[in-house]
Amino acid sequence: DGGITQSPKYLFRKEGQNVTLSCEQNLNHDAMYWYRQDPGQGLRLIYYSQIVNDFQKGDIAEGYSVSREKKESFPLTVTSAQKNPTAFYLCASSMVGGRGNEQFFGPGTRLTVL
Amino acid sequence: AQKVTQAQTEISVVEKEDVTLDCVYETRDTTYYLFWYKQPPSGELVFLIRRNSFDEQNEISGRYSWNFQKSTSSFNFTITASQVVDSAVYFCALSEAQYGNKLVFGAGTILRVKS
Repeated sequence: DGGITQSPKYLFRKEGQNVTLSCEQNLNHDAMYWYRQDPGQGLRLIYYSQIVNDFQKGDIAEGYSVSREKKESFPLTVTSAQKNPTAFYLCASSMVGGRGNEQFFGPGTRLTVL
Repeated sequence: AQKVTQAQTEISVVEKEDVTLDCVYETRDTTYYLFWYKQPPSGELVFLIRRNSFDEQNEISGRYSWNFQKSTSSFNFTITASQVVDSAVYFCALSEAQYGNKLVFGAGTILRVKS
């Protein structure tokens, strides 16, 4: 089945530690996205990538980093510089070469900083 | 600037009632796309519908219907004869042609359907 997988589902981190969230897709999509969801605030874009080896900052990129070495993978690292990292993180992908393409979402990773 | 407002934070209805979720958007672009997504308790967002700015026809899909009105910058979503399985968070989102497929989301509306 085609889809997006995110791991782990739940992640606990101590303050001051970096942590990497995994996102893999087998939909053959060129574009991938990372969003952060906080209660009552909807989804906010962290980073996105429209092609391998290229990515752009979204609205809240500070304290995060990404890489896009393979088309299928777009890992997100939450660094110790992120002041309030506890949130629900969603990865998505879409086609490019058109407009208004819908994004397909993974099941999310819930990160808690202890 | 692009912005999506979902003024209803939470709605509670009894099963079989009709319910409308409101969405108001702001954009300066003449070509844009509007979306509705459903987020059940499992957390994964499920795509429901996409509308482009040149197509104001209303759409019906089973118990779901959407009313797009450019004159009021609204894209409202109605569920007819609601069911408990409709309980979820619903997000309205906007993408502008000049920004490719980037989405701007509203804050979401929590819908609780009680039996």
